[in-house]
Amino acid sequence: RKEVEQDPGPFNVPEGATVAFNCTYSNSASQSFFWYRQDCRKEPKLLMSVYSSGNEDGRFTAQLNRASQYISLLIRDSKLSDSATYLCVVNQAGTALIFGKGTTLSVSS
Amino acid sequence: NAGVTQTPKFRVLKTGQSMTLLCAQDMNHEYMYWYRQDPGMGLRLIHYSVGEGTTAKGEVPDGYNVSRLKKQNFLLGLESAAPSQTSVYFCASSVAGYRNEQFFGPGTRLTVL
Repeated sequence: RKEVEQDPGPFNVPEGATVAFNCTYSNSASQSFFWYRQDCRKEPKLLMSVYSSGNEDGRFTAQLNRASQYISLLIRDSKLSDSATYLCVVNQAGTALIFGKGTTLSVSS
Repeated sequence: NAGVTQTPKFRVLKTGQSMTLLCAQDMNHEYMYWYRQDPGMGLRLIHYSVGEGTTAKGEVPDGYNVSRLKKQNFLLGLESAAPSQTSVYFCASSVAGYRNEQFFGPGTRLTVL
């Protein structure tokens, strides 16, 4: 089983749609969880951290289920500018972060 | 405040040549990282450093060496480039370890012929 798994997509949605991405991780000892965003041919940038109680930042909601080792990202009211690849990131033991391969979102008008 | 910068942005090497990629950060971060990103593989950690003068191996360290002589700089060396090292290389830095956001540089696109 790979350490961090994501559905690669692509997810093609119209503007205004709600879209959800899922991610599973294999290391039950992981303590830190993030969603990064990567635009085409650009560097990854932090979108949001994921907390056990769930957290929201505007149109974005992240959830963590430690028992199922599952992380989700919900995007409401999708905008054209949300088109990007979304990376699920989990820490391994110590310093290392493990990046998922990413889920590609394309929002169209 | 430039954040994380990488030099060069693009490079083409022949098999067997050597080169050094330079990463610099002006955020006074302790931790620095080198990743490679290949199609279908995601980001993979090559080497990292938890402070000036320290380095450690990541997931895919073979064929690379690193040095952190100054806190703000992290160098990645390829001693004898191979076509398998064709990739996009990203440097990142963070205040501390895995609980903290990593800030990435713009990347170096390396092709080895």
